[in-house]
Amino acid sequence: NAGVTQTPKFRVLKTGQSMTLLCAQDMNHEYMYWYRQDPGMGLRLIHYSVGEGTTAKGEVPDGYNVSRLKKQNFLLGLESAAPSQTSVYFCASLTARAGAAFFGQGTRLTVV
Amino acid sequence: DAKTTQPTSMDCAEGRAANLPCNHSTISGNEYVYWYRQIHSQGPQYIIHGLKNNETNEMASLIITEDRKSSTLILPHATLRDTAVYYCIVSRNQAGTALIFGKGTTLSVSS
Repeated sequence: NAGVTQTPKFRVLKTGQSMTLLCAQDMNHEYMYWYRQDPGMGLRLIHYSVGEGTTAKGEVPDGYNVSRLKKQNFLLGLESAAPSQTSVYFCASLTARAGAAFFGQGTRLTVV
Repeated sequence: DAKTTQPTSMDCAEGRAANLPCNHSTISGNEYVYWYRQIHSQGPQYIIHGLKNNETNEMASLIITEDRKSSTLILPHATLRDTAVYYCIVSRNQAGTALIFGKGTTLSVSS
């Protein structure tokens, strides 16, 4: 039982490059979330999804796009990376019933 | 969703109970109280949640006041491995509900 898996775990990008972070969950959860965490800070919500084919903006959505084409996958895209997007990115999934959210182990992204 | 207020940091001696408070004075009747923790730079880990009644599991106990405006997470016998940032979140956990984290409480357990 893998839970929530994030790919890749580490990445270094040059300013202006694009990339996609993949989050996969095997628990059949309806909700999925993308967060970023800067050094010494709490988690800030980027985008989230309450079901296949639906997405919504969180607290800090600018510069990111997301897609949820399959229930088990939630993709986070950076079209033109900026140094301000250097951060650790966490994905989470949650059942629609009251219960625990499960988090991935994070993707450490550095934009130079 | 209602906002929460937590102390920035707390200290606890190993083996003693750690009591972490959370204020959620604007909580609505259908909102749950959730607690998560984040150890070092790992992904956050679910601890416990409740609606009205006190809850206990193998990790912790959650005490919610009768008016539901505040709660306390209790780690009965804190260990060094419990040193982490603890987040209190209030959420309806229904469609359209975002899961918003605050700054949390940094708990330092020392020997």
